[in-house]
Amino acid sequence: GIQVEQSPPDLILQEGANSTLRCNFSDSVNNLQWFHQNPWGQLINLFYIPSGTKQNGRLSATTVATERYSLLYISSSQTTDSGVYFCAAITQGGSEKLVFGKGTKLTVNP
Amino acid sequence: DTAVSQTPKYLVTQMGNDKSIKCEQNLGHDTMYWYKQDSKKFLKIMFSYNNKELIINETVPNRFSPKSPDKAHLNLHINSLELGDSAVYFCASSPKIGQGAGETQYFGPGTRLLVL
Repeated sequence: GIQVEQSPPDLILQEGANSTLRCNFSDSVNNLQWFHQNPWGQLINLFYIPSGTKQNGRLSATTVATERYSLLYISSSQTTDSGVYFCAAITQGGSEKLVFGKGTKLTVNP
Repeated sequence: DTAVSQTPKYLVTQMGNDKSIKCEQNLGHDTMYWYKQDSKKFLKIMFSYNNKELIINETVPNRFSPKSPDKAHLNLHINSLELGDSAVYFCASSPKIGQGAGETQYFGPGTRLLVL
Protein backbone atom coordinates (compact mmCIF):
# COMPACT_ATOMS: atom_id res chain seq x y z
CA GLY A 1 0.00 0.00 0.00
CA ILE A 2 0.92 3.65 -0.16
CA GLN A 3 3.54 4.95 2.26
CA VAL A 4 3.21 8.46 3.67
CA GLU A 5 6.21 10.03 5.36
CA GLN A 6 6.32 13.36 7.12
CA SER A 7 9.21 15.53 8.17
CA PRO A 8 10.38 16.82 10.50
CA PRO A 9 8.86 14.71 13.29
CA ASP A 10 9.20 17.58 15.76
CA LEU A 11 9.49 21.33 15.29
CA ILE A 12 9.86 24.08 17.87
CA LEU A 13 9.35 27.69 16.84
CA GLN A 14 9.21 31.11 18.39
CA GLU A 15 5.98 32.99 17.82
CA GLY A 16 6.14 34.91 14.56
CA ALA A 17 8.46 32.49 12.78
CA ASN A 18 7.62 30.76 9.50
CA SER A 19 7.84 27.02 8.88
CA THR A 20 7.49 24.38 6.19
CA LEU A 21 6.26 20.86 6.82
CA ARG A 22 6.83 18.17 4.23
CA CYS A 23 4.86 15.09 3.22
CA ASN A 24 6.26 12.49 0.80
CA PHE A 25 4.04 9.75 -0.61
CA SER A 26 5.06 6.62 -2.47
CA ASP A 27 2.30 6.38 -5.09
CA SER A 28 0.02 8.53 -7.23
CA VAL A 29 -2.83 9.95 -5.21
CA ASN A 30 -6.36 11.18 -5.82
CA ASN A 31 -6.81 12.53 -2.31
CA LEU A 32 -4.32 14.31 -0.14
CA GLN A 33 -5.36 16.09 3.01
CA TRP A 34 -3.62 18.08 5.70
CA PHE A 35 -5.02 18.03 9.24
CA HIS A 36 -4.19 19.84 12.44
CA GLN A 37 -4.74 17.93 15.67
CA ASN A 38 -4.94 20.52 18.41
CA PRO A 39 -3.83 19.92 22.01
CA TRP A 40 -7.42 18.91 22.85
CA GLY A 41 -7.27 16.10 20.31
CA GLN A 42 -9.61 17.51 17.67
CA LEU A 43 -8.71 16.73 14.06
CA ILE A 44 -9.27 19.82 11.96
CA ASN A 45 -9.31 19.75 8.17
CA LEU A 46 -6.82 22.24 6.78
CA PHE A 47 -6.61 21.43 3.08
CA TYR A 48 -7.84 18.94 0.52
CA ILE A 49 -5.05 19.24 -2.02
CA PRO A 50 -4.24 16.30 -4.34
CA SER A 51 -2.45 18.79 -6.61
CA GLY A 52 -1.76 22.50 -6.94
CA THR A 53 -1.62 25.26 -4.35
CA LYS A 54 -4.17 26.56 -1.89
CA GLN A 55 -4.07 29.29 0.72
CA ASN A 56 -6.14 29.91 3.80
CA GLY A 57 -5.01 32.87 5.87
CA ARG A 58 -1.53 32.26 7.26
CA LEU A 59 -1.52 28.68 5.99
CA SER A 60 -0.89 27.50 2.49
CA ALA A 61 -0.22 24.12 0.90
CA THR A 62 1.33 22.94 -2.32
CA THR A 63 1.21 19.44 -3.75
CA VAL A 64 3.49 18.44 -6.62
CA ALA A 65 1.76 15.24 -7.63
CA THR A 66 4.33 14.26 -10.29
CA GLU A 67 7.10 14.37 -7.69
CA ARG A 68 4.94 12.85 -4.94
CA TYR A 69 5.26 15.42 -2.22
CA SER A 70 3.22 18.08 -0.50
CA LEU A 71 4.30 21.05 1.59
CA LEU A 72 2.41 22.91 4.29
CA TYR A 73 3.56 26.46 4.97
CA ILE A 74 2.78 28.24 8.21
CA SER A 75 3.62 31.92 8.27
CA SER A 76 3.81 34.23 11.31
CA SER A 77 3.19 31.28 13.61
CA GLN A 78 1.07 31.70 16.73
CA THR A 79 0.91 29.67 19.93
CA THR A 80 -2.49 28.39 18.81
CA ASP A 81 -0.77 26.70 15.86
CA SER A 82 0.76 24.20 18.28
CA GLY A 83 -0.29 20.60 17.88
CA VAL A 84 0.33 17.74 15.48
CA TYR A 85 0.03 18.20 11.73
CA PHE A 86 -0.94 15.12 9.75
CA CYS A 87 -0.74 14.46 6.06
CA ALA A 88 -2.99 11.68 4.68
CA ALA A 89 -3.43 10.25 1.20
CA ILE A 90 -5.55 7.87 -0.87
CA THR A 91 -3.96 6.17 -3.87
CA GLN A 92 -5.44 6.37 -7.34
CA GLY A 93 -7.26 3.22 -8.34
CA GLY A 94 -6.96 1.73 -4.89
CA SER A 95 -9.43 1.33 -2.07
CA GLU A 96 -10.65 4.49 -0.39
CA LYS A 97 -8.39 4.07 2.62
CA LEU A 98 -6.95 7.33 3.87
CA VAL A 99 -3.40 6.48 4.92
CA PHE A 100 -1.87 8.83 7.48
CA GLY A 101 1.71 9.87 8.03
CA LYS A 102 3.10 9.85 11.56
CA GLY A 103 2.68 13.58 11.90
CA THR A 104 4.84 16.61 12.71
CA LYS A 105 4.54 17.83 16.28
CA LEU A 106 4.74 21.62 16.26
CA THR A 107 5.34 23.66 19.39
CA VAL A 108 5.13 27.44 19.10
CA ASN A 109 6.57 29.25 22.10
CA PRO A 110 5.50 32.77 23.09
CA ASP B 1 -24.59 22.22 14.14
CA THR B 2 -21.90 19.57 14.51
CA ALA B 3 -21.20 17.85 11.19
CA VAL B 4 -19.83 14.56 12.57
CA SER B 5 -20.65 13.78 16.19
CA GLN B 6 -19.61 10.93 18.43
CA THR B 7 -20.83 9.72 21.81
CA PRO B 8 -19.48 9.31 24.35
CA LYS B 9 -16.44 11.58 24.28
CA TYR B 10 -14.80 9.67 27.12
CA LEU B 11 -15.24 6.04 28.07
CA VAL B 12 -13.52 4.35 31.00
CA THR B 13 -14.30 0.69 31.51
CA GLN B 14 -13.00 -2.56 32.88
CA MET B 15 -11.32 -5.33 30.89
CA GLY B 16 -13.80 -7.86 29.59
CA ASN B 17 -16.73 -5.46 29.28
CA ASP B 18 -18.67 -4.79 26.08
CA LYS B 19 -19.11 -1.18 24.98
CA SER B 20 -20.46 0.80 22.02
CA ILE B 21 -19.49 4.10 20.48
CA LYS B 22 -22.01 5.95 18.35
CA CYS B 23 -21.38 8.18 15.36
CA GLU B 24 -23.76 10.37 13.41
CA GLN B 25 -23.17 12.70 10.47
CA ASN B 26 -25.60 15.34 9.23
CA LEU B 27 -23.71 16.13 6.03
CA GLY B 28 -25.72 13.81 3.79
CA HIS B 29 -22.58 11.81 3.02
CA ASP B 30 -22.72 8.25 1.67
CA THR B 31 -19.54 6.94 3.26
CA MET B 32 -18.51 6.65 6.89
CA TYR B 33 -15.33 5.39 8.54
CA TRP B 34 -13.83 4.38 11.87
CA TYR B 35 -10.18 5.16 12.64
CA LYS B 36 -8.07 4.26 15.65
CA GLN B 37 -5.37 6.55 17.05
CA ASP B 38 -2.93 4.73 19.31
CA SER B 39 -0.81 6.07 22.16
CA LYS B 40 1.89 7.14 19.69
CA LYS B 41 -0.67 9.25 17.82
CA PHE B 42 -0.63 6.95 14.80
CA LEU B 43 -3.98 7.01 12.95
CA LYS B 44 -5.16 3.95 11.05
CA ILE B 45 -8.41 3.07 9.35
CA MET B 46 -10.47 0.22 10.81
CA PHE B 47 -13.68 0.11 8.76
CA SER B 48 -15.52 1.91 6.00
CA TYR B 49 -19.21 1.74 5.11
CA ASN B 50 -20.78 3.07 1.94
CA ASN B 51 -24.53 3.53 2.15
CA LYS B 52 -24.80 0.93 4.93
CA GLU B 53 -22.57 -1.63 3.19
CA LEU B 54 -19.16 -2.67 4.50
CA ILE B 55 -16.46 -1.58 2.03
CA ILE B 56 -13.21 -1.68 3.98
CA ASN B 57 -12.40 -4.03 6.84
CA GLU B 58 -8.80 -3.85 7.93
CA THR B 59 -7.23 -6.61 9.99
CA VAL B 60 -9.23 -5.72 13.05
CA PRO B 61 -10.08 -8.37 15.69
CA ASN B 62 -13.61 -9.66 15.28
CA ARG B 63 -14.36 -8.36 18.77
CA PHE B 64 -14.92 -5.09 16.90
CA SER B 65 -18.19 -5.01 15.01
CA PRO B 66 -19.40 -1.94 13.14
CA LYS B 67 -23.11 -1.47 12.59
CA SER B 68 -24.76 0.98 10.21
CA PRO B 69 -28.53 1.28 10.74
CA ASP B 70 -28.71 3.96 8.05
CA LYS B 71 -26.22 5.95 6.03
CA ALA B 72 -26.11 8.76 8.62
CA HIS B 73 -25.02 6.47 11.45
CA LEU B 74 -22.08 4.13 11.97
CA ASN B 75 -21.73 2.63 15.42
CA LEU B 76 -18.80 0.62 16.75
CA HIS B 77 -19.41 -2.20 19.19
CA ILE B 78 -16.47 -3.74 21.02
CA ASN B 79 -16.78 -7.06 22.86
CA SER B 80 -14.52 -8.36 25.63
CA LEU B 81 -12.47 -5.20 25.89
CA GLU B 82 -8.71 -5.60 26.34
CA LEU B 83 -6.06 -3.24 27.69
CA GLY B 84 -4.67 -2.79 24.18
CA ASP B 85 -7.98 -1.39 22.98
CA SER B 86 -7.27 1.81 24.87
CA ALA B 87 -7.01 4.50 22.21
CA VAL B 88 -8.87 7.38 20.65
CA TYR B 89 -11.47 6.28 18.10
CA PHE B 90 -12.44 8.71 15.36
CA CYS B 91 -15.45 8.52 13.12
CA ALA B 92 -15.33 10.24 9.71
CA SER B 93 -17.51 10.70 6.66
CA SER B 94 -17.09 11.65 3.01
CA PRO B 95 -19.48 12.32 0.14
CA LYS B 96 -18.80 9.28 -2.01
CA ILE B 97 -16.50 6.35 -2.52
CA GLY B 98 -15.25 4.27 -5.38
CA GLN B 99 -15.76 6.83 -8.08
CA GLY B 100 -12.10 7.66 -8.44
CA ALA B 101 -12.38 11.36 -7.74
CA GLY B 102 -11.41 11.34 -4.08
CA GLU B 103 -13.26 13.47 -1.57
CA THR B 104 -12.48 15.24 1.65
CA GLN B 105 -13.06 13.20 4.78
CA TYR B 106 -14.51 15.03 7.76
CA PHE B 107 -13.67 13.78 11.24
CA GLY B 108 -15.66 13.69 14.45
CA PRO B 109 -14.23 14.87 17.80
CA GLY B 110 -13.04 11.41 18.84
CA THR B 111 -13.90 9.05 21.68
CA ARG B 112 -11.19 8.47 24.25
CA LEU B 113 -11.42 4.88 25.45
CA LEU B 114 -9.49 3.74 28.51
CA VAL B 115 -9.62 0.08 29.48
CA LEU B 116 -8.52 -0.68 33.04
